[in-house]
Amino acid sequence: SYELTQPPSVSVSPGQTASITCSGDKLGDKYVSWYQQKPGQSPVLVIYQDIKRPSGIPERFSGSNSGNTATLTISGTQAMDEADYYCQAWDSSVGVFGGGTKLTVL
Amino acid sequence: EVQLVESGGGLIQPGGSLRLTCVVSGFTVSSNYMNWVRQAPGKGLEWVSVIYNDGRTYYGDSVKGRFTISRDNSKNTLNLQMHSLRAEDTAVYFCARDSGGRVAFDFWGQGTTVTVSS
Repeated sequence: SYELTQPPSVSVSPGQTASITCSGDKLGDKYVSWYQQKPGQSPVLVIYQDIKRPSGIPERFSGSNSGNTATLTISGTQAMDEADYYCQAWDSSVGVFGGGTKLTVL
Repeated sequence: EVQLVESGGGLIQPGGSLRLTCVVSGFTVSSNYMNWVRQAPGKGLEWVSVIYNDGRTYYGDSVKGRFTISRDNSKNTLNLQMHSLRAEDTAVYFCARDSGGRVAFDFWGQGTTVTVSS
């Protein structure tokens, strides 16, 4: 079965750039979406189709996807961005999530 | 306003059955790809199942043969019938819309908790 691999944790200082990777076989051939989840809340879509931002998502969130790796980049990271982040893709008709990355802003 | 409200969770013994329902308002369930996603305590998200707008259904390996996804067009609801429940099915179950068809889950419910324990 298809797998997506994320680093368990990433730390960033306020105002700096955070990058969260998601790796999978030929992932660049698939569309990737990214979700932010804060404790006790439902996930929120922050990036879809690799690079698109839903309305209401700040411009500091961006995405890329090439080769075997997709990346979520948060520029000028704020304390409110501290959360778990999950990548997601479809392998044929089966949905797959990465294991999640805890972003710490310190 | 788009709303997805799950219900039906609870405490169930191993081997038991449970039916989850997601009541949707603000859009038509049958016009979208509708999904169930779950999250075990302290763990990450796990995709469970999808029903396409044309009625086709697909399942994750861990639930295949035990869970059935369906929708009730008259009530605009999404359902998940769960049989032969195991301890590892313990999780918060979310329903989520994918309006683009395997694009992204753009709206989520608040989740309903299923606990499988004796």
